Amino acid sequence: AQSVAQPEDQVNVAEGNPLTVKCTYSVSGNPYLFWYVQYPNRGLQFLLKYITGDNLVKGSYGFEAEFNKSQTSFHLKKPSALVSDSALYFCAVRDKTNDYKLSFGAGTTVTVRA
Amino acid sequence: AAGVIQSPRHLIKEKRETATLKCYPIPRHDTVYWYQQGPGQDPQFLISFYEKMQSDKGSIPDRFSAQQFSDYHSELNMSSLELGDSALYFCASSPIGSGLSTDTQYFGPGTRLTVL
Repeated sequence: AQSVAQPEDQVNVAEGNPLTVKCTYSVSGNPYLFWYVQYPNRGLQFLLKYITGDNLVKGSYGFEAEFNKSQTSFHLKKPSALVSDSALYFCAVRDKTNDYKLSFGAGTTVTVRA
Repeated sequence: AAGVIQSPRHLIKEKRETATLKCYPIPRHDTVYWYQQGPGQDPQFLISFYEKMQSDKGSIPDRFSAQQFSDYHSELNMSSLELGDSALYFCASSPIGSGLSTDTQYFGPGTRLTVL
């Protein structure tokens, strides 16, 4: 079975400071990892994904994520957070088998204060 | 850029009624997924279709059924609605490609279903 865990329900940072949202995964094979962001009353917006190759993945809105196989982690990062980054962030995983669905973490609410 | 379209955006039903949710994928996307997100919860996979055939099935109640049509749009039919069915229902689509498991799923804005 595949799963991801987001250990923090909430992350609070000041604007301009670095932002990190943590995610660890558990899959039987090679993971395909995704980050999505959800603004209030909106759908899920795709930020970035890791499939293979470079462990540092760059995505939308200045976000990046680092795949770490030894620590089974895929943390989302942004060097300088903006107030507009305040939202709910979901990590998701698919494994390499013929399994199309995404399994989501519980989500992390990010609040960036001015 | 075109996005996934879902209708209606909001739906209010009474218990034991039926509801039909519609999803129109991004053009040239042939795979559709349905997810249910309860209040304060993460999205849970319900069912998916690839080239109009059911490709995977998750925790979808027997009271729910879905299909994908020749134009690739999909409908989720929900019968004998219960209070616990109140949730945000997302549709996502992914593009035609050889690496299905690597394709990105693009989500629609969701349909908020309230069962009274």
